[in-house]
This record gives sequence, C-alpha cells and structure tokens, in this order.
Amino acid sequence: GAGVSQSPRYKVAKRGQDVALRCDPISGHVSLFWYQQALGQGPEFLTYFQNEAQLDKSGLPSDRFFAERPEGSVSTLKIQRTQQEDSAVYLCASSLDPRGVLAQYFGPGTRLLVL
Amino acid sequence: SQQGEEDPQALSIQEGENATMNCSYKTSINNLQWYRQNSGRGLVHLILIRSNEREKHSGRLRVTLDTSKKSSSLLITASRAADTASYFCATDGNNNDMRFGAGTRLTVKP
Repeated sequence: GAGVSQSPRYKVAKRGQDVALRCDPISGHVSLFWYQQALGQGPEFLTYFQNEAQLDKSGLPSDRFFAERPEGSVSTLKIQRTQQEDSAVYLCASSLDPRGVLAQYFGPGTRLLVL
Repeated sequence: SQQGEEDPQALSIQEGENATMNCSYKTSINNLQWYRQNSGRGLVHLILIRSNEREKHSGRLRVTLDTSKKSSSLLITASRAADTASYFCATDGNNNDMRFGAGTRLTVKP
C-alpha cells in the first residue's frame, strides 16, 4: 500500500517568506509526528498528533512554527517568516500505535532551503 | 536535544564483513529502536527491542541491549553494498517523543 508522502519534496524560500509543508500519513494511522533533520544529524522531534489532537508541541523551536491536523489525517507544518536557520529536512512519520513508540513509518521529507 | 549517541560516527568495511554500531543513551527507556536512512530518503524501521529484552535477531541483524550500561549495539552480518546508509538508534521514555542519535554512516565497499 501507499506509504507516507510529503510535499513539496524541495522548497526554496526567501528569508521572511511563509512556507507550508504537507504530510499525507498512511491511511488509518492514529499518530503523526514531525521531525527536523539538520545535515549530518539525526531527526529532532518537533510535534506529535494523536488523531486531530496535538498532544505535544514541545519540540517546536519558536512560535513561528505551527502544525495542524484538522481531520486527523493530512497534516500541515507551517513556518512563518522563515529564517536561514530553518533550513533543514522536515520529516513526517505516522504510526498505528497511538503513542507512536512502536514502529514509525517515515515519509521522504521536504528539504527546505531558506536564502 | 538528542538522547542517543551512536559510535562510531562513520564506518567503512568491505562487502561480506560484519558491521557493528553502538548506541548510548542517557535516561531510562521503554523501548529502543534502530532505523536506517539511505541518502536523501526517509528513515526505515529495522528492529525494536524492549527494555526487558537483552538480544533480538532479524535476518542479518542482531541487536543487543544493556540497560545497566544504557547502551545498545547493532550488528549487521555478511554486509552488502546495499547496506550502505546511515543508521540511527531511537529511544522513548515517558514522554511522547522518540529521541534519535546523530547516526553512524556505514559504507560497504563492493
């Protein structure tokens, strides 16, 4: 079946621009996670949804970052007034497990470059 | 902040050799997982080991866990060129987040 998909795969933004990154999880997966991965580093947790409820957003680096999952399926990560330090790969993962502490299934990521 | 630390940061071996990667973590865990990431792609789940398990096998993979030392190792036997990738350990504690290490970059030369 279809895996986790993300769009766009690549995004170049001018500093100060707003961007929106989309994640389509595997159908039926309850939990959804966003991670930020800098070059040469492991993924860093940003936020977590269980269905439509955002249960943990402790990893969001600033109030310029906002995520939503209004119908409990597709999720959008929005970054307002992008800065150069926001340049990274943004990974989305979903899991059947409500807490996502069993296997997570990752999308290919969106590579964001802020100039 | 990242919980786990993988060691070594990079490993280069010949096809057919075994590859061993280690992971150390800081706080108590419920589970530890290993993931693989090929260049430019998402992570793929390899294996999960629970805190009450000491060893687990899956195909050519063998994972060990020592909770007293807060460490785990991933052994890939009879490596293949296709095993070339970055390998990450991930731990979960009592929070809802999984914490990943910085990864080991494995290169298997044909």
